[in-house]
Amino acid sequence: EPEVTQTPSHQVTQMGQEVILRCVPISNHLYFYWYRQILGQKVEFLVSFYNNEISEKSEIFDDQFSVERPDGSNFTLKIRSTKLEDSAMYFCASKQGSSGNTIYFGEGSWLTVV
Amino acid sequence: GESVGLHLPTLSVQEGDNSIINCAYSNSASDYFIWYKQESGKGPQFIIDIRSNMDKRQGQRVTVLLNKTVKHLSLQIAATQPGDSAVYFCAENNFGNEKLTFGTGTRLTIIP
Repeated sequence: EPEVTQTPSHQVTQMGQEVILRCVPISNHLYFYWYRQILGQKVEFLVSFYNNEISEKSEIFDDQFSVERPDGSNFTLKIRSTKLEDSAMYFCASKQGSSGNTIYFGEGSWLTVV
Repeated sequence: GESVGLHLPTLSVQEGDNSIINCAYSNSASDYFIWYKQESGKGPQFIIDIRSNMDKRQGQRVTVLLNKTVKHLSLQIAATQPGDSAVYFCAENNFGNEKLTFGTGTRLTIIP
């Protein structure tokens, strides 16, 4: 069964450092997302991406965050200067078509900022 | 502000029994609803979805019920198995809006 894959599975970084989280969405999907989940809390939307541009973003997704689809398969989330409160599980997700299609999530990248 | 270490509602069910997990939503404009299962350290796994023009939808061992009048969603799992132990989230979305809004989740524990 096709799946969303994410790397790394776990990253520890020093506060102030840049981090890039990588995702390979399902191959025929057109809509891509990043969500995050702080330990013990609910999953929160960060950003959606379609047709090579951000289609929607949340208040969490400030200027420290950026997304990119550098080639036909990868979708990345960059945090320019990490803060302690960025420690969370980051989930990439994708879906095939427009609203109402199933959104499939990856296994997550656990980011620990120290 | 956000509370740290949000306390999840919990539900314990004897193996083989049926379970019902409930979810209330607030956005009357939401027209698409999904149940996800999340096992420890893993990503949300799609279980079943329902559109707002339906009241009920059935899958394998799972049924989702939608009551738009009171903005309530439920997930029924029949003949529960140990592998059903997980946190279950409902999520909502409305047409034209790309983001899913997740509920706080319910931790389901199946007692052997």
